Amino acid sequence: SQTIHQWPATLVQPVGSPLSLECTVEGTSNPNLYWYRQAAGRGLQLLFYSVGIGQISSEVPQNLSASRPQDRQFILSSKKLLLSDSGFYLCAWRDPGRVYGYTFGSGTRLTVV
Amino acid sequence: AQSVTQLGSHVSVSEGALVLLRCNYSSSVPPYLFWYVQYPNQGLQLLLKYTSAATLVKGINGFEAEFKKSETSFHLTKPSAHMSDAAEYFCAVSEGGGADGLTFGKGTHLIIQP
Repeated sequence: SQTIHQWPATLVQPVGSPLSLECTVEGTSNPNLYWYRQAAGRGLQLLFYSVGIGQISSEVPQNLSASRPQDRQFILSSKKLLLSDSGFYLCAWRDPGRVYGYTFGSGTRLTVV
Repeated sequence: AQSVTQLGSHVSVSEGALVLLRCNYSSSVPPYLFWYVQYPNQGLQLLLKYTSAATLVKGINGFEAEFKKSETSFHLTKPSAHMSDAAEYFCAVSEGGGADGLTFGKGTHLIIQP
């Protein structure tokens, strides 16, 4: 069966520090991968998606970047965090052949102080 | 472009009462529609999905939703609320063809009064 792992679960980082959040999927190959951010009162905003290794599409200009160094690994990064980067970050995957089969990770609560 | 509007950022109902969470969508093609539930500091759990089959969709935990094309709506209902239903609920839409993920509403926080 397929599983998605996301870590860390919580993170407190000072302004200006770097960020690296990791997401891995097991039990499938060539998944579509997604990063969402949930900020208070703003619902879930799609940040990045990827359909393959090294292929990243950005939905919203921001202080963040994403990379997909391996087929089932998706990394969200920042060189210098801003206060506005605080939020709940969710990774998700989908089998490209199943248009409705989205599965979400358990999320990372990021607080920038 | 697709979009989702959830009416009411907070909905409060009494335990045992009907739950109704509203969702309206905009899509240029026949959509796929979803309801997710989120408990505090957790990921999203799929409640149910509409994928162009039956317009009345039954999900987990006694929830159901009806797709009404003429009203562009996909409201979520449950006949009798339980304390454990207290959570954040998100409606989402996908136009299916692309890889660009789901578009979510802003969410509705469901409060259950004892």
